[in-house]
Amino acid sequence: DIQMTQSPSSLSASVGDRVTITCRASQSISTYLHWYQQKPGKAPKLLIYGASRLQSGVPSRFSGSGSGTDFTLTISSLQPEDFAAYYCQQSYSHFYTFGQGTKLEIK
Amino acid sequence: QVQLVQSGDEVYRPGASVKVSCKASGYSFTSYGINWVRQAPGQGLEWMGWISGYKGNTNYAQKVQGRVTMTTDTSTSTAYMELRSLRSDDTAVYYCARNFRSTNTGRDYYYMDVWGKGTTVTVSS
Repeated sequence: DIQMTQSPSSLSASVGDRVTITCRASQSISTYLHWYQQKPGKAPKLLIYGASRLQSGVPSRFSGSGSGTDFTLTISSLQPEDFAAYYCQQSYSHFYTFGQGTKLEIK
Repeated sequence: QVQLVQSGDEVYRPGASVKVSCKASGYSFTSYGINWVRQAPGQGLEWMGWISGYKGNTNYAQKVQGRVTMTTDTSTSTAYMELRSLRSDDTAVYYCARNFRSTNTGRDYYYMDVWGKGTTVTVSS
């Protein structure tokens, strides 16, 4: 299986901060990388697909980049509703895998 | 609107089997597959497997291979996930999610664009 490793596992930041989360794949996955946001007690929500494509309805402060093995999710100016957990997921292999998650907390 | 409605929360004894349902509406069920993803308490997301909405082809994660069976009923637009020989570490919220295919980018991206609200399965003696 393709292993996905996110860093950091947790992050404290303030409203208005610029935040970057990293996801690394154990082998090249081209741009078959997607990002999800999950709030406590809720189902995950798709933010970014294809490494950099913003899902419809997602605010433009979210952006993604990368290809091959290294990817980033950036939130340009944190809003109160952005404090949540974030997961990357690969679909290069038919056996999908998620990163372990990054919990974004209020400083 | 597109939605996935899952069956209710349940409690099981170790060794039992669970069958979770996921009823789709608002789209052509046979045009998309369904993924099953679970999340143990306080843990991350774990992909369990996928089933085609058209032919019923499946891919299962190695961790649950041999204990899981995913099926569909196209007449009711419903997907099912059965997990057998339950143990305590199967306690989790189980989600179904549509496997959307995006072709407008020159590549076939498959990702989970619509999710059910989750079904809590508790395994306890």
